Amino acid sequence: GESVGLHLPTLSVQEGDNSIINCAYSNSASDYFIWYKQESGKGPQFIIDIRSNMDKRQGQRVTVLLNKTVKHLSLQIAATQPGDSAVYFCAENMGRGAGNQFYFGTGTSLTVIP
Amino acid sequence: KAGVTQTPRYLIKTRGQQVTLSCSPISGHRSVSWYQQTPGQGLQFLFEYFSETQRNKGNFPGRFSGRQFSNSRSEMNVSTLELGDSALYLCASSLRQGSSSYNEQFFGPGTRLTVL
Repeated sequence: GESVGLHLPTLSVQEGDNSIINCAYSNSASDYFIWYKQESGKGPQFIIDIRSNMDKRQGQRVTVLLNKTVKHLSLQIAATQPGDSAVYFCAENMGRGAGNQFYFGTGTSLTVIP
Repeated sequence: KAGVTQTPRYLIKTRGQQVTLSCSPISGHRSVSWYQQTPGQGLQFLFEYFSETQRNKGNFPGRFSGRQFSNSRSEMNVSTLELGDSALYLCASSLRQGSSSYNEQFFGPGTRLTVL
């Protein structure tokens, strides 16, 4: 029978270029967000997080932007490298009462072309 | 500092059997959450344990259960396995419970469960 799965957005970039991965989150009450990177056969790896009282946060080669008005997150990767090839997920936490329960997006598959 | 560890890494079971998966959080972390990852549904939250108590539960049937021990290690159990339970089961640990402050959640490598 036919295999049914989530449609995974894909992004291909040249090595050295900047990458921008987008995510629309679902709940306006969400107040904490994490970006994860998942390589084949591995668990998700924490990249960077941001709270809802900020609109930008920078890490090493990565920047997360948060637009609460349109419920949108983006992850910018500077000078993308082949090792950045992976699936990237955004995860949202709905604040008080939600504990550490996160809702994950479907993910974006990033391929870096050497 | 060692990361989150999960055992076993791979497991094959048949329908109707039950299975127990184990997770050891990062040293000092007290919150352990479990997620199921499948190609069809993506990453879905199962439950969270903090201080040996289940704090949050996702939308899964009662066949899925868990517990946490006093050393913060956690186990999850799936009874009466179904074919659809085949998935990567991921454990994540956090220092604290809740998002009152930055509270990064770190994942283990997962246990790949195949139900035949």
